[in-house]
Amino acid sequence: IAGITQAPTSQILAAGRRMTLRCTQDMRHNAMYWYRQDLGLGLRLIHYSNTAGTTGKGEVPDGYSVSRANTDDFPLTLASAVPSQTSVYFCASSREGSTDTQYFGPGTRLTVL
Amino acid sequence: AQSVSQHNHHVILSEAASLELGCNYSYGGTVNLFWYVQYPGQHLQLLLKYFSGDPLVKGIKGFEAEFIKSKFSFNLRKPSVQWSDTAEYFCAVKGGDNTGKLIFGQGTTLQVKP
Repeated sequence: IAGITQAPTSQILAAGRRMTLRCTQDMRHNAMYWYRQDLGLGLRLIHYSNTAGTTGKGEVPDGYSVSRANTDDFPLTLASAVPSQTSVYFCASSREGSTDTQYFGPGTRLTVL
Repeated sequence: AQSVSQHNHHVILSEAASLELGCNYSYGGTVNLFWYVQYPGQHLQLLLKYFSGDPLVKGIKGFEAEFIKSKFSFNLRKPSVQWSDTAEYFCAVKGGDNTGKLIFGQGTTLQVKP
């Protein structure tokens, strides 16, 4: 069982470019989340999905979009990257949204120049 | 809005010293509380969690935390740290709605000197 996988591991991106960060889980968890981790700010929720077909906005959703076409995948898209989106991005999942522990992926380090 | 505050941003201890990391949250309703650890170069791992019941929660690797509702606190403790405990520690709270959203503190970097 792989748990949660994220791709790419790291990426350097020119400002203005479009980028999709991939997240896949094999635990059949209903809920999935995207966080960004910035020094001194901890982790902040970008978007979440409680079940396939539904998504919601977190604390810092601007500039990001997500989709949840199926249970396993939860891609995060930056339509037009800006330097302030330089961060480490973590995907997480939990069996249910409201009560269960979240498990985290290995992260994607994104640098926008 | 919910928030989580971790008072210590950077802690340096010698091996065998005792550890206590502070965590306070702001939310008046029922909360679920978590401590996650991130070892250098790795992803977040769950140390322990509190959902209900005994307010003293024991986690992995000898860590424990005490939920004190009246103080809105969930401090992490370990009686004797090891060099391998060097990591960043995050307190997080989930509560109120059914979205499962976690609100994280800023993190505390723990450096244990051998």
